[in-house]
Amino acid sequence: EAQVTQNPRYLITVTGKKLTVTCSQNMNHEYMSWYRQDPGLGLRQIYYSMNVEVTDKGDVPEGYKVSRKEKRNFPLILESPSPNQTSLYFCASSLKRGSDTQYFGPGTRLTVL
Amino acid sequence: DAKTTQPPSMDCAEGRAANLPCNHSTISGNEYVYWYRQIHSQGPQYIIHGLKNNETNEMASLIITEDRKSSTLILPHATLRDTAVYYCIVSRMIYNQGGKLIFGQGTELSVKP
Repeated sequence: EAQVTQNPRYLITVTGKKLTVTCSQNMNHEYMSWYRQDPGLGLRQIYYSMNVEVTDKGDVPEGYKVSRKEKRNFPLILESPSPNQTSLYFCASSLKRGSDTQYFGPGTRLTVL
Repeated sequence: DAKTTQPPSMDCAEGRAANLPCNHSTISGNEYVYWYRQIHSQGPQYIIHGLKNNETNEMASLIITEDRKSSTLILPHATLRDTAVYYCIVSRMIYNQGGKLIFGQGTELSVKP
């Protein structure tokens, strides 16, 4: 089944404890991105990747890192999480660059205490 | 990208057609209209998109006015599972700049028995 998977789905952590949220797609998509969703602010793009080893900042990149060593994986790294990063996170992928027909993962609900 | 305006909420009776309007009066010639939906904090799901012509797929129909300043998403026979927030997004496909989707507040559609 074609899909985007994220792990973990739920995470509660404490300020400053490094964490990684994994994202994987099995559709051989070139483009991948991360969004966060907050009440009243909608979905905002954090980082995106056009292809392997090519990443760039979205609208709200502060406090996040990403890497794209393989085409299928695009992990989101929070080196020192803070409470303002408590949010619902979505990974998305699309077949080609510039395509807005994106497939989203199920989401990761992160709480930073 | 052009801004969109949608009603915050709508109701629809189960089995009837749901018609969701969207205004995008500042849309430019190379911008597409996309519709996504999000069912209760799940990952957004692509529904349909179009440029000028009306479009139909297995999920919905998209009607774009001739001046392209507004559009309507039609779910022909709404079911309870169609209860979701529906997002109308206007976006250009920029080949080398990825596909950032700008989600507004959307329309919360409630399908009632």
